[in-house]
Amino acid sequence: GDKVKQSPSALSLQEGTNSALRCNFSIAATTVQWFLQNPRGSLMNLFYLVPGTKENGRLKSAFDSKESYSTLHIRDAQLEDSGTYFCAADADTNAYKVIFGKGTHLHVLP
Amino acid sequence: GGIITQTPKFLIGQEGQKLTLKCQQNFNHDTMYWYRQDSGKGLRLIYYSITENDLQKGDLSEGYDASREKKSSFSLTVTSAQKNEMAVFLCASSISYEQYFGPGTRLTVL
Repeated sequence: GDKVKQSPSALSLQEGTNSALRCNFSIAATTVQWFLQNPRGSLMNLFYLVPGTKENGRLKSAFDSKESYSTLHIRDAQLEDSGTYFCAADADTNAYKVIFGKGTHLHVLP
Repeated sequence: GGIITQTPKFLIGQEGQKLTLKCQQNFNHDTMYWYRQDSGKGLRLIYYSITENDLQKGDLSEGYDASREKKSSFSLTVTSAQKNEMAVFLCASSISYEQYFGPGTRLTVL
């Protein structure tokens, strides 16, 4: 099965609403990264996390290594938040090799 | 700040052809990566390089060669392009494992 599993696979949100994306790991991850790939294909780094939480504007992310999951919360969704969100966790014994999930396709509706 | 550039942006090749993709970064990062992204899917690691002249295989290295000639540049060679292959190749660099991505090279094989 997938070592990094993202849910949901796709999501539509009304502008101004809130949502949460989730990543579950079947590997002993020690760090997590979240990225947004915009409709043009550019990948932007959102968060790099050790266990704990981080916040940046309308985005907040948490990583619980004991329960093997991470979440990305989007508050007051805007049209420019649309795209595909990827999480990536470091592989068991090699921090350079991160394993990506298959992504959550987010569409923010006006 | 810094930037990662990838050349070319679009690459069209013939079946069996050897094709080279280039990546340059001015972050002064030690580690560089090559990923492949197939349509609608996550990223898979092809090669990475921890420092100049270092090369490490990822999960998808068969059919590819890589070269880290200097700290700022990392090249990827498709040794024999496969007919009807279509994918985006993404280069990244990192310091302390947090990865930053280039804009990608879109490959089409006729």
